[in-house]
Amino acid sequence: GAGVSQTPSNKVTEKGKYVELRCDPISGHTALYWYRQSLGQGPEFLIYFQGTGAADDSGLPNDRFFAVRPEGSVSTLKIQRTERGDSAVYLCASSLTSVPTEQFFGPGTRLTVL
Amino acid sequence: GENVEQHPSTLSVQEGDSAVIKCTYSDSASNYFPWYKQELGKRPQLIIDIRSNVGEKKDQRIAVTLNKTAKHFSLHITETQPEDSAVYFCAASSKTSYDKVIFGPGTSLSVIP
Repeated sequence: GAGVSQTPSNKVTEKGKYVELRCDPISGHTALYWYRQSLGQGPEFLIYFQGTGAADDSGLPNDRFFAVRPEGSVSTLKIQRTERGDSAVYLCASSLTSVPTEQFFGPGTRLTVL
Repeated sequence: GENVEQHPSTLSVQEGDSAVIKCTYSDSASNYFPWYKQELGKRPQLIIDIRSNVGEKKDQRIAVTLNKTAKHFSLHITETQPEDSAVYFCAASSKTSYDKVIFGPGTSLSVIP
């Protein structure tokens, strides 16, 4: 079946602009995660959804970052007033259940803030 | 919160030799420890995981060991092949927040033919 998909694959924006990054998880997966990966670093946890609700958003760096998953499937990560330091690869992952289990990652969105 | 450290940051081995990557974690409540492999420009993929109720798990050329007392776990790759070259990430998941998986900084493994 289809894996996790993310759009766009690349996004270049100017400082101060608003961006939306989309994640389509594997069908039937109830858990969805967003990570940020900078060059040479491991994925940094941002937020975790169980169904439609954000079960843990403690990794969001500040209030410019927000994520939604209104129907328990597709999720959108929203970044307001982008800064150059937001440049990174944003990874989405999904897993079948909330029990510790394999996370399936998407290909990521490379965000560049000029 | 949980903190995961990983060593070495880079590792170079000859084809056929073994490779060992070590990780430590800080939260004694962590109970799930996955390892992910990320090839250049690709997404991370799970290669093996271990839960805190076992001390060792093996899958063909890959094995993971866990020492809960010392709070460290290791990845062992035997008979390395060039296609094993990648960045490997260890991770830990705390019992207090099962799905908040915290990743280590990664080890770049190069297998020299």
